[in-house]
Amino acid sequence: EPEVTQTPSHQVTQMGQEVILRCVPISNHLYFYWYRQILGQKVEFLVSFYNNEISEKSEIFDDQFSVERPDGSNFTLKIRSTKLEDSAMYFCASRLKTGGNYGYTFGSGTRLTVV
Amino acid sequence: EDQVTQSPEALRLQEGESSSLNCSYTVSGLRGLFWYRQDPGKGPEFLFTLYSAGEEKEKERLKATLTKKESFLHITAPKPEDSATYLCAVHISYGGATNKLIFGTGTLLAVQP
Repeated sequence: EPEVTQTPSHQVTQMGQEVILRCVPISNHLYFYWYRQILGQKVEFLVSFYNNEISEKSEIFDDQFSVERPDGSNFTLKIRSTKLEDSAMYFCASRLKTGGNYGYTFGSGTRLTVV
Repeated sequence: EDQVTQSPEALRLQEGESSSLNCSYTVSGLRGLFWYRQDPGKGPEFLFTLYSAGEEKEKERLKATLTKKESFLHITAPKPEDSATYLCAVHISYGGATNKLIFGTGTLLAVQP
């Protein structure tokens, strides 16, 4: 069964450092997402990406965050200057189409710890 | 404001003891309701999508139902391996640009042998 792959599984970084979280979505999917889950809290929407541009972003997704699809397979989330409150599980998801019976497939996540 | 609420927050069952989890929602632009299973330290694993009131879907010991305001996940004769957090998420869409999931806080299910 096709999977969404995320690397690394765990990243520890110092406050103020830049991090890049990587995702390989399912190959024929067209819509890409980043969600995050702070420990003990809800899974929260960060950003959606389609046709090489951001479709929508949440209030959390400020100027410190950026996304990129540098080639036909990778989808990255960059945090420019990490803060302690950025510590969370970050999930990448992809979807074939919107509407209809098309589910979101999530990766296993990257646990980001900012110290 | 779009909101998804799950209850109970935690549920402990004996093996074989059937029960139901609830997901209530107040959203506009609903385009589907999803149930996911999440194991500790893992990503959400897709279980079901429901689109219209009255719809039901089943998979092994799980059955999901949908009304206009809530969804239930019924677990029949659960086994210890069903222990996980069960997440409900509604897919909302406004016009053509917005397509995203709004999650509830989840129900932590523990099934004891």
